[in-house]
Amino acid sequence: GQGVEQPDNLMSVEGTFARVNCTYSTSGFNGLSWYQQREGHAPVFLSYVVLDGLKDSGHFSTFLSRSNGYSYLLLTELQIKDSASYLCAVRGDRGGSGNKLIFGTGTLLSVKP
Amino acid sequence: NSKVIQTPRYLVKGQGQKAKMRCIPEKGHPVVFWYQQNKNNEFKFLINFQNQEVLQQIDMTEKRFSAECPSNSPCSLEIQSSEAGDSALYLCASSGTISNERLFFGHGTKLSVL
Repeated sequence: GQGVEQPDNLMSVEGTFARVNCTYSTSGFNGLSWYQQREGHAPVFLSYVVLDGLKDSGHFSTFLSRSNGYSYLLLTELQIKDSASYLCAVRGDRGGSGNKLIFGTGTLLSVKP
Repeated sequence: NSKVIQTPRYLVKGQGQKAKMRCIPEKGHPVVFWYQQNKNNEFKFLINFQNQEVLQQIDMTEKRFSAECPSNSPCSLEIQSSEAGDSALYLCASSGTISNERLFFGHGTKLSVL
């Protein structure tokens, strides 16, 4: 079946880095997005990838391997305020899942001092 | 700050009651999505529109929900007869393109069905 899987929780230390993993299985592939959601707030777009490899966007970088159905979001120079839930979302093909995004349940990142 | 406006922020209903929520998408965005996020953080796609037309919806939405996106008026999502399992955060999102690389979300309407 179709789905997006993420670990529930991740803990890291201020000033270091954190890698949030995402694996997916969808009918076709038309891009993968990452969103940040703080408690009680709207999800906020971070990044979109459709080609394999690493996309460096400064504080956030994303990696994609379409053949493995795998992506990660890399946060560097972590700050306490990076503590949030990070959601992975995949868009399948129009004939399969349609044009909607299929979301994972998010990884709750806790950044400790 | 989100430019997608959802009202009300909180909604409390009894079982069997109608529950209606509204969404004003970002100006100029023709595509609107509704998602349900439950207490386990699972996102369930409900329905999407392009301008006023429904693109796709799930069975539950077709049978129990009423949704529309009229021109020059807010989009709306209404549960005809609320059930306890409908308690969740209902998120509206809009996109400037049909390819939907980037969705802009509202803060959501948190529905509690007692």
